[in-house]
Amino acid sequence: DTEVTQTPKHLVMGMTNKKSLKCEQHMGHRAMYWYKQKAKKPPELMFVYSYEKLSINESVPSRFSPECPNSSLLNLHLHALQPEDSALYLCASSQELDEQYFGPGTRLTVT
Amino acid sequence: TQLLEQSPQFLSIQEGENLTVYCNSSSVFSSLQWYRQEPGEGPVLLVTVVTGGEVKKLKRLTFQFGDARKDSSLHITAAQPGDTGLYLCAAYTGGFKTIFGAGTRLFVKA
Repeated sequence: DTEVTQTPKHLVMGMTNKKSLKCEQHMGHRAMYWYKQKAKKPPELMFVYSYEKLSINESVPSRFSPECPNSSLLNLHLHALQPEDSALYLCASSQELDEQYFGPGTRLTVT
Repeated sequence: TQLLEQSPQFLSIQEGENLTVYCNSSSVFSSLQWYRQEPGEGPVLLVTVVTGGEVKKLKRLTFQFGDARKDSSLHITAAQPGDTGLYLCAAYTGGFKTIFGAGTRLFVKA
């Protein structure tokens, strides 16, 4: 099973809301990632967890808060977002660090 | 700064035509990946090339890694509408980081 699942598929939230994005993988991969992708651009790395520990934070604003409750789950907590944060948010996992398996993404719209 | 440059940026062709997409860099990589992404979906890993000069085939798609491991190409034979999508090349640069090319957007008309 090479599937990474993400929920929800679509999310619309106001600038004062708090919401969470969820990601799950059952491949036993050691690393999990959050990416942000704007239209017609490649994915942009936000966070990396390795063995459930935060390994990389690419200077992401604190209104984005990642969490890795266990080796299969990855959350991204959202609070006080701005309209420019609207994008496709992708989760990925990998065992071999050069090959990543992406989920279908969450299309986020901030109003 | 390590960069991957893809060309062309956009390609619109008729069904049945052949095409080649290029991914170039001045850096040497231990491996290079190709992904395809359909609108509103996540990228799907197509292939990893590791050895300089390596050629891999996936049905009508042929991937080649340059001898110096700085560049790669993707050739599609007899393109079909189902091949439409964004093709991304990527390379692992260490420290859990992967760089992506800007992508080639392919549209195959029926």
